Amino acid sequence: GAGVSQSPSNKVTEKGKDVELRCDPISGHTALYWYRQSLGQGLEFLIYFQGNSAPDKSGLPSDRFSAERTGGSVSTLTIQRTQQEDSAVYLCASSLTGGRTYEQYFGPGTRLTVT
Amino acid sequence: QKEVEQNSGPLSVPEGAIASLNCTYSDRGSQSFFWYRQYSGKSPELIMFIYSNGDKEDGRFTAQLNKASQYVSLLIRDSQPSDSATYLCAVNVGGSYIPTFGRGTSLIVHP
Repeated sequence: GAGVSQSPSNKVTEKGKDVELRCDPISGHTALYWYRQSLGQGLEFLIYFQGNSAPDKSGLPSDRFSAERTGGSVSTLTIQRTQQEDSAVYLCASSLTGGRTYEQYFGPGTRLTVT
Repeated sequence: QKEVEQNSGPLSVPEGAIASLNCTYSDRGSQSFFWYRQYSGKSPELIMFIYSNGDKEDGRFTAQLNKASQYVSLLIRDSQPSDSATYLCAVNVGGSYIPTFGRGTSLIVHP
């Protein structure tokens, strides 16, 4: 079946501009996660959605970052007033939660470059 | 102390050998453990998960979990150059729905 999709695959933006990154999870997956990965670094958790519950935003690095998930499916991560340190690969993952089943399936990522 | 630790490597093994990758975690309440493979420039791909003490085998891959010693290992038998990648360990620390990832171990399988 279809995996997690993300768009755009690459985004180059000027410092100070706003960007929106989109994630379409695997159909039926109720959990959705956003991470970012800087070059040569590990995965940094950003935000977690589970069904219609309030999201866990504990990983968002600043108030310039926000995310929403509409209808329990597609999610959009918005970065306002982008800074050069925001340059990274933004990864989305989805999971079919239930019991201890938290296996995550990742999308291909969006490479964001802030110039 | 970091919650999930991995040796960054690189771990270099010859083709056909067994590659052993290790991960330690700090929270004894952790219940779910995952191994992901990440090729350079690609996103992580789930290859193994384990919930119970002992071994779990899937093809050339074996995950080993020892909760008493708080480590989880990944063994890759008959290593191939195509196995060269970074291997990420992830743990649902304390039963959290949000996995904590290690920094990953770089594996190089040379012909």
